[in-house]
Amino acid sequence: GENVEQHPSTLSVQEGDSAVIKCTYSDSASNYFPWYKQELGKGPQLIIDIRSNVGEKKDQRIAVTLNKTAKHFSLHITETQPEDSAVYFCAAILTGGGNKLTFGTGTQLKVEL
Amino acid sequence: ETGVTQTPRHLVMGMTNKKSLKCEQHLGHNAMYWYKQSAKKPLELMFVYSLEERVENNSVPSRFSPECPNSSHLFLHLHTLQPEDSALYLCASSQLRGGNSPLHFGNGTRLTVT
Repeated sequence: GENVEQHPSTLSVQEGDSAVIKCTYSDSASNYFPWYKQELGKGPQLIIDIRSNVGEKKDQRIAVTLNKTAKHFSLHITETQPEDSAVYFCAAILTGGGNKLTFGTGTQLKVEL
Repeated sequence: ETGVTQTPRHLVMGMTNKKSLKCEQHLGHNAMYWYKQSAKKPLELMFVYSLEERVENNSVPSRFSPECPNSSHLFLHLHTLQPEDSALYLCASSQLRGGNSPLHFGNGTRLTVT
């Protein structure tokens, strides 16, 4: 069925290093790809999104890249800080799923001092 | 303050109890959602309301009953739940109904069914 696969499920980096989280999707018609950050005890918060008419979008230390041909998109966090530690979710609209936003299973990012 | 407020934050209930979860959004949005978040699983969409009308019900068991009295408030009424219903229940809102309108989530209600 239509789904979004996310890897890795856990990621540990040293403070100051970069972190990359990758997602693949199955619906070639998908056109909107948001990323959410969920801190402990809180709900997911939108941190960046990208639409299919662009290949890359950047906002300070975070960036998202999209490869529509390969049907994958990635979140890049540079100069990681302890406050970046959280669970990150990718999502995509899957037209086969009734144009609903479908989430990946999440990546637990830990930034170590 | 996220703009979407959920109460209670934690709830423990027996399988024979009846309880309700409450959500209020202060963002002037037109669509509201209930999601279920279980460990190691993707967020599961349960219900969608647009302009107070239920527009989606994702094959959710009838022991979950949503109510949307106005565009700012959303409830989830619970009765005769099962232990496997234990999860974090998240409310969200968006300006428009549709996948590409950003979702704003509350902090959730952690439900434990004993």
